[in-house]
Amino acid sequence: DAGVTQSPTHLIKTRGQHVTLRCSPISGHKSVSWYQQVLGQGPQFIFQYYEKEERGRGNFPDRFSARQFPNYSSELNVNALLLGDSALYLCASSVTTMKGYGYTFGSGTRLTVV
Amino acid sequence: DAKTTQPPSMDCAEGRAANLPCNHSTISGNEYVYWYRQIHSQGPQYIIHGLKNNETNEMASLIITEDRKSSTLILPHATLRDTAVYYCIVRLSNFGNEKLTFGTGTRLTIIP
Repeated sequence: DAGVTQSPTHLIKTRGQHVTLRCSPISGHKSVSWYQQVLGQGPQFIFQYYEKEERGRGNFPDRFSARQFPNYSSELNVNALLLGDSALYLCASSVTTMKGYGYTFGSGTRLTVV
Repeated sequence: DAKTTQPPSMDCAEGRAANLPCNHSTISGNEYVYWYRQIHSQGPQYIIHGLKNNETNEMASLIITEDRKSSTLILPHATLRDTAVYYCIVRLSNFGNEKLTFGTGTRLTIIP
């Protein structure tokens, strides 16, 4: 069974550009969350989507947006890129289990803004 | 979500048990304790979680104190592959709230 798949794995963009990151959840998982991890820090929550609806939003500017598709895959969009947006972007999918949430992360997309 | 406090780094000899502490003194009654680890530049990996009782799985054991204000993750026989950053997280496990609040974690180094 495939895990959480993210694409691309690495990406280099120029300041001011736009970027789209993609995530395919584990089959059967209807919830997708996005995290940003700057070097040396723990991951920071950006968004959570469930059944195509936004269920949570972290403290990120409006330049960050996301959506979830009918097949539960998701995109994270970042406009007007800044150097500070350079980070590892992680996607996690989850499903409710008897003991709480099963939460699985992908390997991430490494975004470098130059 | 309640805040957690972990030591920034720890060393452990290969083959010995690694005991990673976590303080969560403001935890509420319906918050779970989760442990994740992150090996360099990979996504965080789920290890174990619990509410009140001690838990054990194929990877680790989780010991939660009776007052629930602290917990310890135990890796029974540490190997070099256990070198990673370990995150202790407390969170509500209710529908719709799936935010994980990561701190800076504990960098565990397994020494040959």
